Amino acid sequence: AQKVTQAQTEISVVEKEDVTLDCVYETRDTTYYLFWYKQPPSGELVFLIRRNSFDEQNEISGRYSWNFQKSTSSFNFTITASQVVDSAVYFCALSGGGGSTLGRLYFGRGTQLTVWP
Amino acid sequence: DTEVTQTPKHLVMGMTNKKSLKCEQHMGHRAMYWYKQKAKKPPELMFVYSYEKLSINESVPSRFSPECPNSSLLNLHLHALQPEDSALYLCASSQGLQEGYEQYFGPGTRLTVT
Repeated sequence: AQKVTQAQTEISVVEKEDVTLDCVYETRDTTYYLFWYKQPPSGELVFLIRRNSFDEQNEISGRYSWNFQKSTSSFNFTITASQVVDSAVYFCALSGGGGSTLGRLYFGRGTQLTVWP
Repeated sequence: DTEVTQTPKHLVMGMTNKKSLKCEQHMGHRAMYWYKQKAKKPPELMFVYSYEKLSINESVPSRFSPECPNSSLLNLHLHALQPEDSALYLCASSQGLQEGYEQYFGPGTRLTVT
């Protein structure tokens, strides 16, 4: 079964602080994909990144970075020098396996990040 | 252009009304999705279309009726809804159903059933 756990329900930080959002996943598949989405108050889910199970390289995009570790089944997301505009709900998601799971994204419960000025 | 559009943005309807939600994408994607999202919860998958054919129906009540008139359009017809159906309805699209394709979401329709 596919499962994603985001243990942090809410995080509050002050602007310019660094913040890490945790994501732990469970799957029996050898090929799978992990995603992060951002959902600001407006409601639209914005795709941030996709990582496949064979690529454990960390990725950096501006102030965002992602740390994928298969050994701990984690795909954590760090925002450096946070800004008020980063305030949103962040979802980690998993897909993989084919068969009955084809077309399905398994979402974590989301982490509400609030950045105070 | 990675845009999925949805109309209307907001919808208030009574339990006896019939209304439709619309979704459009021009990215050439062949898979389209409907999700329902309640406050402080992740999106829940409702329906998936692949190449204009219904691939997944997550045991959604028949008062929700999806339609995919062509590869760019997806509708969700609503009839005799209940107050508990009030939620944000999100449409998404992806290149295909394969696991590696990311889904692009529209801004959603906030539905209130009175």
